[in-house]
Amino acid sequence: QSVLTQTPSASGTPGQRVTISCSGSSSNIGSTAVNWFQQLPGTAPTLLIYNNDERPSGVPDRFSGSKSGTSASLAISGLQSEDEAHYYCAAWDNSLNGWVFGGGTKLTVL
Amino acid sequence: HLQLQESGPGLVKPSETLSLTCTVSGDSISRNPSYYWVWIRQPPGKGLEWVGSVYYSGSTYYNPSLKSRVTISIDPSRNQFSLKLSSMTAADTAVYYCARDFRTISAVLTPQNYWGQGTLVTVSS
Repeated sequence: QSVLTQTPSASGTPGQRVTISCSGSSSNIGSTAVNWFQQLPGTAPTLLIYNNDERPSGVPDRFSGSKSGTSASLAISGLQSEDEAHYYCAAWDNSLNGWVFGGGTKLTVL
Repeated sequence: HLQLQESGPGLVKPSETLSLTCTVSGDSISRNPSYYWVWIRQPPGKGLEWVGSVYYSGSTYYNPSLKSRVTISIDPSRNQFSLKLSSMTAADTAVYYCARDFRTISAVLTPQNYWGQGTLVTVSS
């Protein structure tokens, strides 16, 4: 059972905009920044969004993040076939004094 | 460019202790004094779980759910850090990743996050 809650699956057609949500509590998302990882099949996760809405260099601006209260969202616009992957939210938990993750959302591009 | 590589047994018997090592290359642990070094695991078909973190000085943070069984250590002179997980059960079967955290010791988030490729550890007799 993951500390952060994500919808297990999402889908969209090429060119569409999809949103993936993540909810937590006051000890994590409510008081620390949200981060998002993308995991392609058979590979290690890569940092997609950090500090709620910042993108590492090389991440297309089609990916954006937002946070409100104890929830956060990852939006992907102009969906492409290569976006098909698992997406995980993560946040530092001040009670646990460590990282907590969502259970992951599998994004399917139809 | 920082690279990390996990090494260790792919198969562990129930009740035994898992020992994994992460070797850092492309830079040194000592030249990254702002960061923790992390172990994260992922059971097959499931999500990510933080196991614990170690600082180059040796100070550690562990996931409370694993704390009684986990020991993470670091050897900056060999550019390595290690994970020991005792009393292994089938529930510990997972891909184990080592990584350099992207959260600094001052709690600042940075865009630099480096992961190893992961190593699958199966618990079976």
